[in-house]
Amino acid sequence: QKEVEQDPGPLSVPEGAIVSLNCTYSNSAFQYFMWYRQYSRKGPELLMYTYSSGNKEDGRFTAQVDKSSKYISLFIRDSQPSDSATYLCAMTRLTGGGNKLTFGTGTQLKVEL
Amino acid sequence: NAGVTQTPKFRILKIGQSMTLQCTQDMNHNYMYWYRQDPGMGLKLIYYSVGAGITDKGEVPNGYNVSRSTTEDFPLRLELAAPSQTSVYFCASSYGRDLIAKNIQYFGAGTRLSVL
Repeated sequence: QKEVEQDPGPLSVPEGAIVSLNCTYSNSAFQYFMWYRQYSRKGPELLMYTYSSGNKEDGRFTAQVDKSSKYISLFIRDSQPSDSATYLCAMTRLTGGGNKLTFGTGTQLKVEL
Repeated sequence: NAGVTQTPKFRILKIGQSMTLQCTQDMNHNYMYWYRQDPGMGLKLIYYSVGAGITDKGEVPNGYNVSRSTTEDFPLRLELAAPSQTSVYFCASSYGRDLIAKNIQYFGAGTRLSVL
């Protein structure tokens, strides 16, 4: 079983839709949770960062963490064609040497006009 | 502000050849990382470094070597290239001395490598 599971998609939605992207994980030691966005042929860029259970909002994006269920989500409101990208969840625990992120495989999102 | 710069952007190697992927960052970050990304497999950590002169293996280090002689540079060396090393390679860096900031990794644009 992978430590982090993420549906690869592709997910296709109409412009203006609410998008829900999800990851599940098996390691209860993970404490920090991140969402990276990766445009085609580009490097990943950090979108959202959360610690502990609960919600965090940034503009049209909301990150949600449920540690009891080992489940994290990213919601995108009023989705735009510019949101078309692959979204990678990542997580880590506090460790002594080198901060190692464990990534999901990524969900490919296409927002159509 | 350049951030993390990787060269070359593309490369085709023959089996058995060697090459070095270059990575440099101008953010004075002490942590640096090398990942490979294969279709449907996510990002896998190859090697990482917590500072100049200190490197350690990640999840998939076989067939690769690294060095970190300066804070800015973290080259990845492929010796005796094999088709299994065909992938997209990403270098990343983070400011490791801050509890929260060290989790925020900044990525380069990647190097696409084909071994034929």
